[in-house]
Amino acid sequence: EIVLTQFPATLSVSPGERVTLSCRASRSFFSNLAWYQHKPGQAPRLLIYAAFTRATGVPARFSARGSGTDFTLTISSLQPEDFGVYYCQQYETWPPELTFGGGTKVEIK
Amino acid sequence: QVHLQESGPGLVKPSETLSLMCNVSGDSIRIDDYFWSWFRQPPGKGLEWIGYISHTGTTHYNPSLASRLTVSVDTSKNQFSLSLASVTAADTAVYFCGRVKEVWGGYCDYWGRGTLVTVSS
Repeated sequence: EIVLTQFPATLSVSPGERVTLSCRASRSFFSNLAWYQHKPGQAPRLLIYAAFTRATGVPARFSARGSGTDFTLTISSLQPEDFGVYYCQQYETWPPELTFGGGTKVEIK
Repeated sequence: QVHLQESGPGLVKPSETLSLMCNVSGDSIRIDDYFWSWFRQPPGKGLEWIGYISHTGTTHYNPSLASRLTVSVDTSKNQFSLSLASVTAADTAVYFCGRVKEVWGGYCDYWGRGTLVTVSS
């Protein structure tokens, strides 16, 4: 099983600021990593797949990079609607054993 | 736009079977290259993958749940379902269904809003 560790656990950020979220894997893999945004009471939303590819309709202020054991999601200029919990998820293993990080909660100051 | 909606009892007694349905609209469940998946999120905790099924009935389960789990699909109704036996309080969670793109283990491009299931007597 690949264990994903996200940090920080919580971020309190002002609108307009740049935000970087981190996801570290317990073993190295190339790019089978996704990022999701989840707001209370809503369906989680896919933001990024294949480590850096934005999903359809995701604003360009969201970008991601990484490979190996260290992956990041960056919001270039935080908007008020970007609050929520962000999760990374790996899909490297086969037979499948999808795993998620513990999440980073982004709060708007 | 694919829409998924979970349904089922919100309260299940310990040792009984938890059963949920996911209704899919906006696209046929009979498409290749996707799995139809269940996830859950216990209160105050992160997301956990439960298992998924293809439209042809091929299943893959989380090893930690496999002994108690059945996921099935009804292509005529564009639905798939979850059955988790012998539940305990540890199975209390918000349960989500979703569509997983078949790329290695896969990522979920559409999710339902989730339904809370509480295990309690």
